[in-house]
Amino acid sequence: EIVLTQSPGTLSLSPGERATLSCRASQSVSSSYLAWYQQKPGQAPRLLIYGASSRATGIPDRFSGSGSGTDFTLTISRLEPEDFAVYYCQQYGSSPFTFGGGTKVEIK
Amino acid sequence: QLQLQESGPGLVKPSETLSLTCTVSGGSISSSSYYWGWIRQPPGKGLEWIGSIYYSGSTYYNPSLKSRVTISVDTSKNQFSLKLSSVTAADTAVYYCARLVRASYGGNGGWFDPWGQGTLVTVSS
Repeated sequence: EIVLTQSPGTLSLSPGERATLSCRASQSVSSSYLAWYQQKPGQAPRLLIYGASSRATGIPDRFSGSGSGTDFTLTISRLEPEDFAVYYCQQYGSSPFTFGGGTKVEIK
Repeated sequence: QLQLQESGPGLVKPSETLSLTCTVSGGSISSSSYYWGWIRQPPGKGLEWIGSIYYSGSTYYNPSLKSRVTISVDTSKNQFSLKLSSVTAADTAVYYCARLVRASYGGNGGWFDPWGQGTLVTVSS
């Protein structure tokens, strides 16, 4: 099973700042099969990024994904008030499909 | 647009079987491009993939739950269902259903989009 470790656990930033979230895999994720989700309190996760770097439909271009192998990054170029949430990565390169533990982006 | 809705009891007794159904609207469950999955999230914790099913009935499960999980599909009703047996308090969670978009032809892996709103199932006597 591929274990995904997200860091930091919490990121305290102000609106307008840049957020950099990390997702590290215990072994290489084949074909960059990695997705990112955003979850707000009381809501279901929402897909942001798939294939490590492809934005999902309707996702603003301030969200970008990068990386390959075992190291992946989600970047939010300029935080908007609605971006403060928990973010999860998920690998789908090998079963069982696994999620990271999440990074909470909170208002500083 | 495609929507998914979970339904089922919100309270299940220990040792009994949890049963949930996901109703898909705005699209057909019988598409070769997708699988359909269940994911859960214990209160205040992260996400865990439970298993997925293809419209043909082909299934694959998380090994950590495989001995207790059954996922089935009813294409005539555009629904798929989850059964989790011998539940304990550790199975208390919000259960989500979601469409799994296949990453490659012939593969069973993919990303989840969209998700249902989720339903909280509490295991307690």
